[in-house]
Amino acid sequence: QSVLTQPPSVSAAPGEKVTISCSASNFNIGNNYMSWYQQLPGTAPKVLIYDNDKRPSEIPDRFSGSKSATSATLDITGLQTGDEADYYCATWDRSLRVYVFGTGTKVTVL
Amino acid sequence: EVQLVESGGGLVQPGGSLRLSCAASGFTFSAYEMNWVRQAPGKGLEWISQISGDTNTIYYADSVKGRFTISRDNAKSSLNLQMNSLGAEDTALYYCARTRCTSSSCYRDYWGQGTLVTVSS
Repeated sequence: QSVLTQPPSVSAAPGEKVTISCSASNFNIGNNYMSWYQQLPGTAPKVLIYDNDKRPSEIPDRFSGSKSATSATLDITGLQTGDEADYYCATWDRSLRVYVFGTGTKVTVL
Repeated sequence: EVQLVESGGGLVQPGGSLRLSCAASGFTFSAYEMNWVRQAPGKGLEWISQISGDTNTIYYADSVKGRFTISRDNAKSSLNLQMNSLGAEDTALYYCARTRCTSSSCYRDYWGQGTLVTVSS
């Protein structure tokens, strides 16, 4: 079974930066493109990043994604109170033919 | 404007069945793969199924394989999920989501607001 592991929580003060990591077990993350989703409290998920580092036009450039051979990362700079949410990485596992979500990370603005 | 509206959720007894629907509008429904994703109370997101636009390709998560059936009616722009042999572990908010593909990969670009399924006696 494919698993994408994220830290359960990260926090920082307004204006600071947080980094959320996403690492894979049981498959090679280097061969997969990663997406990132934001889920504000009580709402449906929204895509922030696709193809590892691309943003939909409505997503501010405070959100950025990157990927190495072993992990993916979401950076949020200029942290705002409105960024308090759960964040999920996700990718398609071609061998198992399933879409895998990460374990999720709760971002808290101190 | 793309809209996805789920319906059909409710309270069902263990071992029972339920059929969810998702009404799509604002785009050419038949041109897109569609998904069901669920979220148990206080838990993370779990993808459960995807169906291609022409219905020829269907994938399921192991957790629902053999119990759930995804289908679509392109004439009605409707996505469905037939859920059988429901257990407490199926209690969740069920989202309908559209797949968008680039030249590199696919991601889920539009989501409905979800319909709640509660399995309890």
